[in-house]
Amino acid sequence: AQSVTQLDSQVPVFEEAPVELRCNYSSSVSVYLFWYVQYPNQGLQLLLKYLSGSTLVKGINGFEAEFNKSQTSFHLRKPSVHISDTAEYFCAVYTGGGNKLTFGTGTQLKVEL
Amino acid sequence: GAGVSQTPSNKVTEKGKYVELRCDPISGHTALYWYRQSLGQGPEFLIYFQGTGAADDSGLPNDRFFAVRPEGSVSTLKIQRTERGDSAVYLCASSPTSGITEAFFGQGTRLTVV
Repeated sequence: AQSVTQLDSQVPVFEEAPVELRCNYSSSVSVYLFWYVQYPNQGLQLLLKYLSGSTLVKGINGFEAEFNKSQTSFHLRKPSVHISDTAEYFCAVYTGGGNKLTFGTGTQLKVEL
Repeated sequence: GAGVSQTPSNKVTEKGKYVELRCDPISGHTALYWYRQSLGQGPEFLIYFQGTGAADDSGLPNDRFFAVRPEGSVSTLKIQRTERGDSAVYLCASSPTSGITEAFFGQGTRLTVV
C-alpha cells in the first residue's frame, strides 16, 4: 500500500521569501504525484502533477515541484511567496490501483508581512 | 455548470438522523468520486463511480454510508443514523474518463453532527 508523508504541519514564511513544502511517499510501484491547494472554506484545486517525463513540473501560481525517485520525494517550491498563497497544501499519490488518490495530512502555509 | 457543484455547502444534523449530500459533476464527466476530510486530515477516499455503477466502494467506513448515481450524472451520498464522528467535509470530484489524474473537486459539504 502506498502512503504519503508531509512532515511539516505548518510553515510560516515572510512575503517574498522562498518556500519549500516537503512530501515523501512510499510505494513499490510507479506513481503519479500531485499537489493540491485548499483555500479556507473551499475545495481542492490542482496546483501541479507529475505523470511522466521531465522530473521538474511547473504548475499554477508560480509553484513547481521536482520528482526524485531515489529519495521518493516530490517537494513543492516557490521562489517568492505572496500573502495570497496562505492556504493548506496537500500532496497526493496515485499508483494505478483502484483509481483513488492517497493524500498526506497537509501543510498549512502562512505567509506573513 | 463550470465546475463540480455540491449542495448543501453546510449541513448541521442531530445524532441519529439521516442525511443526503448531493454532487453535480461537470457535464459529460463519466467518473465521480467521493472523499471525506476530517479536521486536520487529508481527504480520504470513500467511493468511485464509473457511469451509474460503483466501481470501488472500499472506502465506505460502514453500512450506514451509501451512495448512488442512478443516471450517471448527479450523485447522492446517504448517511443513516449519523454519529458525531461523521462530522467532516465531504468532497466530490469528477473526471472526463476513468482517470483520477484528470479529476476536478467541488467545494465540499461541511457536515456537523450535534
